[in-house]
Amino acid sequence: SQQGEEDPQALSIQEGENATMNCSYKTSINNLQWYRQNSGRGLVHLILIRSNEREKHSGRLRVTLDTSKKSSSLLITASRAADTASYFCAFHGSGNTGKLIFGQGTTLQVKP
Amino acid sequence: DAGVIQSPRHEVTEMGQEVTLRCKPISGHDYLFWYRQTMMRGLELLIYFNNNVPIDDSGMPEDRFSAKMPNASFSTLKIQPSEPRDSAVYFCASSFGGHGGELFFGEGSRLTVL
Repeated sequence: SQQGEEDPQALSIQEGENATMNCSYKTSINNLQWYRQNSGRGLVHLILIRSNEREKHSGRLRVTLDTSKKSSSLLITASRAADTASYFCAFHGSGNTGKLIFGQGTTLQVKP
Repeated sequence: DAGVIQSPRHEVTEMGQEVTLRCKPISGHDYLFWYRQTMMRGLELLIYFNNNVPIDDSGMPEDRFSAKMPNASFSTLKIQPSEPRDSAVYFCASSFGGHGGELFFGEGSRLTVL
């Protein structure tokens, strides 16, 4: 399967703590994206990191990419209850097609 | 822009019935994707279009599934006949430029086949 693998599958933390989610993939990529999904809603794009970038920030989000290890991580700092959602990494499969493949996701619960 | 619009949001039908899901992508986007989400299999890409032309339908489960995009502002995903194992949330997404572009998702159509 070309799907990405994410860990942990589920994460429960207290408000104010940091949350780290990891994604591994098997193909070569042009970029890697992270999406968020609130319960019962569609996915929303959070951040994109290109294959020639190692780290990217957006507000309380920090994404790293290690192409040698074929892995990425998403760090949410100073988490809030509103960050409770599922988070997915996504990447284009081999062959540089338009096909965006999603990982299985990490379900994050932030307790107030 | 109103974003990607999907209808219906919820559909409950009986096994054997035809189901048609609809999608209106964001104006100006040239890629349209249909995904299916289940607890067991996660998000699966069923088919995607570029400029209204199907590019990759390798994810379509079987011949009971078909998708069309008659014009740049409308797409349908049809299941005929439906089966209980088709129960899932079906998402439509669109993007501009394809390779590497971010996808904009609709709110999904939750299908329950009894």
